[in-house]
Amino acid sequence: GAVVSQHPSRVICKSGTSVKIECRSLDFQATTMFWYRQFPKKSLMLMATSNEGSKATYEQGVEKDKFLINHASLTLSTLTVTSAHPEDSSFYICSARDMPGDVNEQFFGPGTRLTVL
Amino acid sequence: GQNIDQPTEMTATEGAIVQINCTYQTSGFNGLFWYQQHAGEAPTFLSYNVLDGLEEKGRFSSFLSRSKGYSYLLLKELQMKDSASYLCALSPGGYQKVTFGTGTKLQVIP
Repeated sequence: GAVVSQHPSRVICKSGTSVKIECRSLDFQATTMFWYRQFPKKSLMLMATSNEGSKATYEQGVEKDKFLINHASLTLSTLTVTSAHPEDSSFYICSARDMPGDVNEQFFGPGTRLTVL
Repeated sequence: GQNIDQPTEMTATEGAIVQINCTYQTSGFNGLFWYQQHAGEAPTFLSYNVLDGLEEKGRFSSFLSRSKGYSYLLLKELQMKDSASYLCALSPGGYQKVTFGTGTKLQVIP
């Protein structure tokens, strides 16, 4: 199956700093990538939908100026958590749709655990 | 919008069979996913049901009834490694976002 990677897998940062997380589709092109956040013992919450070459679509309640998303190519999307605070500590997971494969199947990256001190 | 309900936790014995239910309400429906997620890891795809009925894939089977807004995941011959959270997710259709349920945490005991 299709492979999606994320980097870094784990990051610890100080409050007020910015953190960039990369999501790459390794063996397929992804016009659409999704960014999720998952708090302990909770389900995945969609933060935003990232489309190559256009602005991301953010879910209600997600601050676009705090969570900057860039989808510059068909294989790479980045999420930057700006001015991170302890409440931003979470498990961030990206997923990507294969193109021109099944429009509904998503392939998930391994996730990035962010801890803000 | 969509609403998905799953039991929060379940416990089952190694070698047994367990059924994890998922009920949903949605304004649009294209298919229903089941994912497995081990603690600290990303979800992995198990099944995708579009039509009513049972689909079997090895030890795992998934059932869908669109008229009842109901699905279940059936795990047979349970193994300790099956201890994980199982997420039910709705696809409303086309390129619209997939909505995840809160997940059912399954614990397999010896």
